[in-house]
Amino acid sequence: LAKTTQPISMDSYEGQEVNITCSHNNIATNDYITWYQQFPSQGPRFIIQGYKTKVTNEVASLFIPADRKSSTLSLPRVSLSDTAVYYCLAPNQAGTALIFGKGTTLSVSS
Amino acid sequence: DSGVTQTPKHLITATGQRVTLRCSPRSGDLSVYWYQQSLDQGLQFLIQYYNGEERAKGNILERFSAQQFPDLHSELNLSSLELGDSALYFCASSPYSGQGRSYEQYFGPGTRLTVT
Repeated sequence: LAKTTQPISMDSYEGQEVNITCSHNNIATNDYITWYQQFPSQGPRFIIQGYKTKVTNEVASLFIPADRKSSTLSLPRVSLSDTAVYYCLAPNQAGTALIFGKGTTLSVSS
Repeated sequence: DSGVTQTPKHLITATGQRVTLRCSPRSGDLSVYWYQQSLDQGLQFLIQYYNGEERAKGNILERFSAQQFPDLHSELNLSSLELGDSALYFCASSPYSGQGRSYEQYFGPGTRLTVT
């Protein structure tokens, strides 16, 4: 059974780098791993996705090791507005369903 | 604003009833995904349609059904409602089909369903 596991919560201060790791179990071997951000009472918002190694965009980086058993979302120099819930998303091994992690609540303080 | 619209925004109904949630994807997007979000279960994938065809299926109950119409809007039908069906229901759209391609999705604002 495919499963993704994330820490429930993380705390940080403004200006720090935050790394959130998601462990993936029995996910598709040739498919993207995707991360989303969600604020209260809003739909999730796409942040970044990757297949392997490292991907970087204007807001985050994503590191995926060769065995693809985990992925790490890296947020450089977080601000108060980055306080949100972060989800990883991966397809199951057959590619027939999508599995969201339970989400990591990131709290950023000044 | 993601460009995805969902109606209604709020829905209050009684147990045993049937409701229909509607989703209009972003212009040009062929995929529509449905999710249920409750406090104890988190975000649960229900079903995906791509250009009118069912493409992937998650933990969708038999009491629930969905379809995507030729104009690409989608409806999620929930019947024989139970108290436990109270949740936020999100629709998301994507220009991609999934399955080896991108899972970049754009989520709507959600429909909050309360079953009393």
